[in-house]
Amino acid sequence: EPEVTQTPSHQVTQMGQEVILRCVPISNHLYFYWYRQILGQKVEFLVSFYNNEISEKSEIFDDQFSVERPDGSNFTLKIRSTKLEDSAMYFCASRRDGSYEQYFGPGTRLTVT
Amino acid sequence: AQSVTQLGSHVSVSEGALVLLRCNYSSSVPPYLFWYVQYPNQGLQLLLKYTTGATLVKGINGFEAEFKKSETSFHLTKPSAHMSDAAEYFCAVSDQNDYKLSFGAGTTVTVRA
Repeated sequence: EPEVTQTPSHQVTQMGQEVILRCVPISNHLYFYWYRQILGQKVEFLVSFYNNEISEKSEIFDDQFSVERPDGSNFTLKIRSTKLEDSAMYFCASRRDGSYEQYFGPGTRLTVT
Repeated sequence: AQSVTQLGSHVSVSEGALVLLRCNYSSSVPPYLFWYVQYPNQGLQLLLKYTTGATLVKGINGFEAEFKKSETSFHLTKPSAHMSDAAEYFCAVSDQNDYKLSFGAGTTVTVRA
């Protein structure tokens, strides 16, 4: 069964460094999402992406964040200058056209020290 | 805007007993409602969803949920718990205008032998 994959599973970085989290959505899906979950808190929506542009973003998704679909398979989330409060589990999800169901990847745990 | 409240961050049940996880939502438009399950070190997996039609929806692994508009609830039940049901469960809502998910805080289920 097709699944969303994410790499790395765990990323440790120093404050102020740039990180890129990678996702490979399901191949025939057209809508892509990033969510994050800070330890002990709710899963929060960050951004949605369709047709090579951002559809919607939350107030969390400030200028430090960017998303890109650099080729036909990858979907990336970049944090330009990480802060301690960016430490969280980041989930990628994808959805095919005409369906309400989002398929989630296993997540990347980002630890900023 | 939508929001979700899950009552009880932890639920402990005996194997074979009823599992009941509570979810209440608020939404300014007719909602789409979802339950996701997360097993350790895995992504979020859809258990079941309500979009339109029958208010009692059945999902995978013997779970079901009932949409009650008058109570703004979407509680998840399973008649007989199995050890493999130990996981974290998330209720989520989206609407017809966009598909981003708003999640509850999650409920961790432990199953006692």
